[in-house]
Amino acid sequence: GAVVSQHPSWVICKSGTSVKIECRSLDFQATTMFWYRQFPKQSLMLMATSNEGSKATYEQGVEKDKFLINHASLTLSTLTVTSAHPEDSSFYICSAERGDTQYFGPGTRLTVL
Amino acid sequence: GQQVMQIPQYQHVQEGEDFTTYCNSSTTLSNIQWYKQRPGGHPVFLIQLVKSGEVKKQKRLTFQFGEAKKNSSLHITATQTTDVGTYFCAVTDKTGNQFYFGTGTSLTVIP
Repeated sequence: GAVVSQHPSWVICKSGTSVKIECRSLDFQATTMFWYRQFPKQSLMLMATSNEGSKATYEQGVEKDKFLINHASLTLSTLTVTSAHPEDSSFYICSAERGDTQYFGPGTRLTVL
Repeated sequence: GQQVMQIPQYQHVQEGEDFTTYCNSSTTLSNIQWYKQRPGGHPVFLIQLVKSGEVKKQKRLTFQFGEAKKNSSLHITATQTTDVGTYFCAVTDKTGNQFYFGTGTSLTVIP
């Protein structure tokens, strides 16, 4: 149990376009989901906490108008990278909270040309 | 703010040797979790420690939480090539409101 999926697993887009990434908890409900980004050989940096039915809480330095988060249901959170630029290229990972444990999705590799 | 450092950053060991990574926090923690991330993969939960001085074992892995609840260690006995990956600690601060990942230790096991 406790499986989290992400879609797409990788995406390449042109600079200036928007990209939506989905995070789903497949076999449990998650009131809280988290979005991270990870640069090569670096740790995970928390971007925001996504709460079902309310606004996301963003970490300091993360632009909420650029990284739109919607937690529409107890099993789905989406991250939209708006007007993407090459510096947004990264590995984006979501996690869903179940009890005290976070279960991570497989990640989405975003490349912005 | 919270700082979570792991040492060493990188470790190369011969297969069969032991390995230890340390996680150190600047503040007292509510709990600590350990994750393993294989190259190209996502973090996978290993264990959570809550009590001061707690020691837990999973086969060849031994996890310890410091008495002051500011540090933790992960020890692998007789490493195998399947142990390759980056080991992250993740901490929840005393308020329970913030969750941070450590800097990670990348383990390479040489056959």
